[in-house]
Amino acid sequence: EVQLVESGGGLVQPGRSLKLSCAASGFTFSNYYMAWVRQAPTKGLEWVASITNSGGSTYYRDSVKGRFTISRDNAKSTLYLQMDSLRSEDTATYYCTRDPGAGYWYFDFWGPGTMVTVSS
Amino acid sequence: IQLTQSPSLLSASVGDRVTLSCKGSQNINNYLAWYQQKLGEAPKLLIYNTNSLQTGIPSRFSGSGSGTDYTLTISSLQPEDVATYFCYQYNNGLTFGSGTKLEIK
Repeated sequence: EVQLVESGGGLVQPGRSLKLSCAASGFTFSNYYMAWVRQAPTKGLEWVASITNSGGSTYYRDSVKGRFTISRDNAKSTLYLQMDSLRSEDTATYYCTRDPGAGYWYFDFWGPGTMVTVSS
Repeated sequence: IQLTQSPSLLSASVGDRVTLSCKGSQNINNYLAWYQQKLGEAPKLLIYNTNSLQTGIPSRFSGSGSGTDYTLTISSLQPEDVATYFCYQYNNGLTFGSGTKLEIK
């Protein structure tokens, strides 16, 4: 059974950093592209970042470029999102998601999410 | 590509045939998926590539469309279908629609 479990969310002040993790199980992690998708409170969904199965290429939405870094450790079956220079508009539930293969660009499995609140 | 979903709120009766609409600002080339999100849960993939049913999803859900106009149909609405439904395009950039909230009348 595919499982994705996020951790690392919490309350952080504007301008500070936070690192999210996603532990994957039930599939061969190194074969799949992965992504982070977020949802602000009572709002819609927003793709944040994606990474290829090898980790060799990464992709970001414009509003997080230069501030967020997506990475992965295939030996640990873990996905990461390093978030720097956080802003109030980054407040959201962050979901770890799996691409069904190598570059299909939709998401077939989602974790339960981890909440990030950026506030002073 | 911007996605516009309509209606934003839909109220229907159990057993009704329900149709949700998603319109793109440009041609989506059938790279469209539909997600269901129940209150307090993560989204779940229902349909991908316009009309392919994800494994484990009931056959009462179906998708159709082409070009800029796409539709999710529930053939016979069930109480457990109460949720918000999002369309998502992956043809040019990666964007979600704003959602249609589906209620039971």
